[in-house]
Amino acid sequence: KQEVTQIPAALSVPEGENLVLNCSFTDSAIYNLQWFRQDPGKGLTSLLLIQSSQREQTSGRLNASLDKSSGRSTLYIAASQPGDSATYLCAVRLGAGGFKTIFGAGTRLFVKA
Amino acid sequence: GAGVSQSPSNKVTEKGKDVELRCDPISGHTALYWYRQSLGQGLEFLIYFQGNSAPDKSGLPSDRFSAERTGGSVSTLTIQRTQQEDSAVYLCASSPTGSEQFFGPGTRLTVL
Repeated sequence: KQEVTQIPAALSVPEGENLVLNCSFTDSAIYNLQWFRQDPGKGLTSLLLIQSSQREQTSGRLNASLDKSSGRSTLYIAASQPGDSATYLCAVRLGAGGFKTIFGAGTRLFVKA
Repeated sequence: GAGVSQSPSNKVTEKGKDVELRCDPISGHTALYWYRQSLGQGLEFLIYFQGNSAPDKSGLPSDRFSAERTGGSVSTLTIQRTQQEDSAVYLCASSPTGSEQFFGPGTRLTVL
């Protein structure tokens, strides 16, 4: 059974700091991994999608890496800003034959001005 | 272009009543997902539709829950005989190829 864990559960950093959010999964047979942000009371916004054959994806100040063999993904946020404050979720879509997507519990990020 | 829309945005119902939640996916997206997010909990997969294939219903928590997708577009999630533990935000997502998912704003269901 696939399990997705995110560490830390919460993080508070001063503005401008670079930071890393971690996501681990127990079964390496995944189809893809997607990072989202969720603002309070809002839906999810897609940040980055990494296919199982890829190692990393970048968008602006965000970089996500994927190491399937070790069951890990990291989301790197450069030069953090108060507007980055949100909950960050990673989601793993199961491999061939399955359509389920399993979400981690998220990391609550607070960036202090 | 228009994103995923869901209606209603909020629904309050009495225990034992049936409710229907609606999702309008992004036009042209063949895949559609339903999730549930209970207070303080992570997202829980409910059901997945892909084109004309049989849906993956493996996440539905009980037989009180059902979903359909008409004409490969709009989807309705129905909860029969609602219970208080059904209170949650129900989120819908669509995807062009079953890959990157785009979420709607959700329906907040409160069962009194």
